[in-house]
Amino acid sequence: ETGVTQTPRHLVMGMTNKKSLKCEQHLGHNAMYWYKQSAKKPLELMFVYNFKEQTENNSVPSRFSPECPNSSHLFLHLHTLQPEDSALYLCASSQRGQGNQPQHFGDGTRLSIL
Amino acid sequence: GQNIDQPTEMTATEGAIVQINCTYQTSGFNGLFWYQQHAGEAPTFLSYNVLDGLEEKGRFSSFLSRSKGYSYLLLKELQMKDSASYLCAAVDSNYQLIWGAGTKLIIKP
Repeated sequence: ETGVTQTPRHLVMGMTNKKSLKCEQHLGHNAMYWYKQSAKKPLELMFVYNFKEQTENNSVPSRFSPECPNSSHLFLHLHTLQPEDSALYLCASSQRGQGNQPQHFGDGTRLSIL
Repeated sequence: GQNIDQPTEMTATEGAIVQINCTYQTSGFNGLFWYQQHAGEAPTFLSYNVLDGLEEKGRFSSFLSRSKGYSYLLLKELQMKDSASYLCAAVDSNYQLIWGAGTKLIIKP
């Protein structure tokens, strides 16, 4: 139990579908992150939210749309994805403003695009 | 550009010692993290170094040399459960994490 819960764990969708990934953290942290993890590649930071405000968008295609309604919840809305978007999507949280605190990760959503 | 290098895969024997190296090139430096990730699971925090030297935590130790842009993770008395990927991440001047691709460690009986 890492304190960060992601649902669903697995998702298979067609290129024309719309789906959402959900992340919830129970650690009282003030920052949340979305990462993409592909085989044998470094983690790719997609979005960062600090106190519910988006502070980073690393040139992510608009078919990925994040939403952070409060500091405990984070969503990633998916629309018209491409096969190359198949990957593990990881959510993380941390406490910013207190030195270099480690990020705590969820188990991820394994996404497959047909 | 910013870059992290670590070996793709390593194999070691149960009960032995293994050292996983990581070299980094970043714009500024504010420390280095090591994470462990078992297949299908979340990366979990192992260590953080910001000063030169060795930090020991039980069977795991992490070393940092800022002048050389180099770190290593040392795992002693290897157990089968240590089979996992080990991720190195350096913190740049903007406090962004620059991640390596991870080292897959295979432990053999």
